[in-house]
Amino acid sequence: AQSVTQLDSHVSVSEGTPVLLRCNYSSSYSPSLFWYVQHPNKGLQLLLKYTSAATLVKGINGFEAEFKKSETSFHLTKPSAHMSDAAEYFCVALLTDSWGKLQFGAGTQVVVTP
Amino acid sequence: KAGVTQTPRYLIKTRGQQVTLSCSPISGHRSVSWYQQTPGQGLQFLFEYFSETQRNKGNFPGRFSGRQFSNSRSEMNVSTLELGDSALYLCASSLEVLAGGLTNTGELFFGEGSRLTVL
Repeated sequence: AQSVTQLDSHVSVSEGTPVLLRCNYSSSYSPSLFWYVQHPNKGLQLLLKYTSAATLVKGINGFEAEFKKSETSFHLTKPSAHMSDAAEYFCVALLTDSWGKLQFGAGTQVVVTP
Repeated sequence: KAGVTQTPRYLIKTRGQQVTLSCSPISGHRSVSWYQQTPGQGLQFLFEYFSETQRNKGNFPGRFSGRQFSNSRSEMNVSTLELGDSALYLCASSLEVLAGGLTNTGELFFGEGSRLTVL
């Protein structure tokens, strides 16, 4: 079955330290992969996307992600967390050519402590 | 450019009632999709419309329906509300660019959602 797994439901980091959010996918196809962020009571905002070009993808707000086909992973990182990074993050995969087949991970809640 | 607009932002209904939610996509976007977000189930796909046609549908009962108008605005309707329908309903639009027969930009633009509470 095609699926997206976010390995951590909660991540707590100190301000100024690195952030790592883990995402694995399962698919027979080469997927398009996205990371979205959702701040409280807001919609989702695209951070970055991978669509079979460069495997290291840079996004907004200093985030980047690396697509590793051999590991079926698309982990999101940021070198230095900021208080404003506190939010929920979703790894999303488009596993076919149909928007209706978007697969959302369960989300990772990020807490940033001073 | 205005973003995706959803109305109403908050609403409270009682069991058995019906509700209609509205979504205005970004100008020029022709694809509109709807999602239900709950703490227990996360984000679940409801349906997607393109050029007034439903192209994809998720695994929701027939009480959930939608439509899209010629100006790409979309509505979703939930009839005979149940307590479990309490959720944040998110609408997203996307720009589809046809190149060689199939392409899209790969990005969904989400509205801020309509938070439905069923009592």
